[in-house]
Amino acid sequence: SQQGEEDPQALSIQEGENATMNCSYKTSINNLQWYRQNSGRGLVHLILIRSNEREKHSGRLRVTLDTSKKSSSLLITASRAADTASYFCATDTDKLIFGTGTRLQVFP
Amino acid sequence: EPEVTQTPSHQVTQMGQEVILRCVPISNHLYFYWYRQILGQKVEFLVSFYNNEISEKSEIFDDQFSVERPDGSNFTLKIRSTKLEDSAMYFCASSVNRRVPSTEAFFGQGTRLTVV
Repeated sequence: SQQGEEDPQALSIQEGENATMNCSYKTSINNLQWYRQNSGRGLVHLILIRSNEREKHSGRLRVTLDTSKKSSSLLITASRAADTASYFCATDTDKLIFGTGTRLQVFP
Repeated sequence: EPEVTQTPSHQVTQMGQEVILRCVPISNHLYFYWYRQILGQKVEFLVSFYNNEISEKSEIFDDQFSVERPDGSNFTLKIRSTKLEDSAMYFCASSVNRRVPSTEAFFGQGTRLTVV
């Protein structure tokens, strides 16, 4: 399988609920980054977690990294309709390798 | 806030024509990248560029592709003879320093290339 695979592929939730997206990868990394992409738009950097970090917070975002399992998760708490987008993890070796993405739909 | 800018936002070209996609990276950044995203698919690495030369390229980046930093601000991707399968969104990105493991890449809004 590819370096950087997210699951689920698609996630639909109600406003106020939490959204959890997972990412698995195969090789050693320098860091792992999460990006957001609104439909047809550019990639917006959300958060970076280094390989020696286990958890990081930024506002309503919480990212975990388990290098032994080669996996990461992105949690968005108290979701809003404006969080509707695709979310990608990107593993950073010497270049960013993007995963397949999770399409998040938040219903008002 | 500094940002990566790409022009044009949308380009339609005929198969076999040459296209040049332009990017202005953030001014103090040293590393530059091109990625592409075919509609509905994942974002794929094409090429990285540092110190006026290609540092890494993917299998996608064949002889039809070239990159250039013609002056101190622009970073261009040229596709010499476009094919239908080159239709995609092309993203430029830049970062300050690749050697520090906590460096984020900043992406432009992309150029949607449509080959007809």
